[in-house]
Amino acid sequence: QVQLVQSETEMKKPGASVKVSCKASGYIFINYGISWMRQAPGQGLEWMGWSSAYSGITVSAEKLQGRITMTTDSSTGTAYMELRSLRSDDTAVYYCARDRIALTMFASSDYWGQGTLVTVSS
Amino acid sequence: IQLTQSPSFLSASVGDRVTITCRASQGISTYLAWYQQKPGKAPELLIYAASTLQSGVPSRFSGSGSGTEFTLTISSLQPEDFATYFCQQLNSHPFSFGQGTKLEIK
Repeated sequence: QVQLVQSETEMKKPGASVKVSCKASGYIFINYGISWMRQAPGQGLEWMGWSSAYSGITVSAEKLQGRITMTTDSSTGTAYMELRSLRSDDTAVYYCARDRIALTMFASSDYWGQGTLVTVSS
Repeated sequence: IQLTQSPSFLSASVGDRVTITCRASQGISTYLAWYQQKPGKAPELLIYAASTLQSGVPSRFSGSGSGTEFTLTISSLQPEDFATYFCQQLNSHPFSFGQGTKLEIK
């Protein structure tokens, strides 16, 4: 069955970087894109960006451009999201999710990781 | 594209029929999905392409709409349906979400 397993909780200081991993299994990794979302405590969902596991093409939210890097490693079936220059308002649960449709970014997310809590505090 | 859900909070009883609305700031055809999220859990896909039920989702859930106005309807609330619901547009990036509708037990 399809599974996305994310890395563990992180605590970071302001200005630091965090890299969250998302290990996929149960499907052909390169056929589906991976989206990244986050959810601040008690808040709604924010779309952060998308990466193609097939081509490596990424698209990120304008507000995060310059701070976010999304990559995929087809040899291990793992997607990564790195966020730099962390601020306190980056404190959130970060989710990876698989596209429902192969080889397009214009698709909803049908399988989600369990979430990774990233806390940014001095 | 901004998505506005209404209401933000909804109190209802088991067996009730409830409807949640999602309005887009510009036309998005049927590029809309609905998710359910329970506390401490990742969201789960309920409906995609505005009205298509995701595999495994009970038939009491239904979606409709196109353009700028969309609805999610639960025909007869069950205890496990009390959760927060989000819409998401997939017409153009950033693929924004609505602010959420928290469905609580009356």
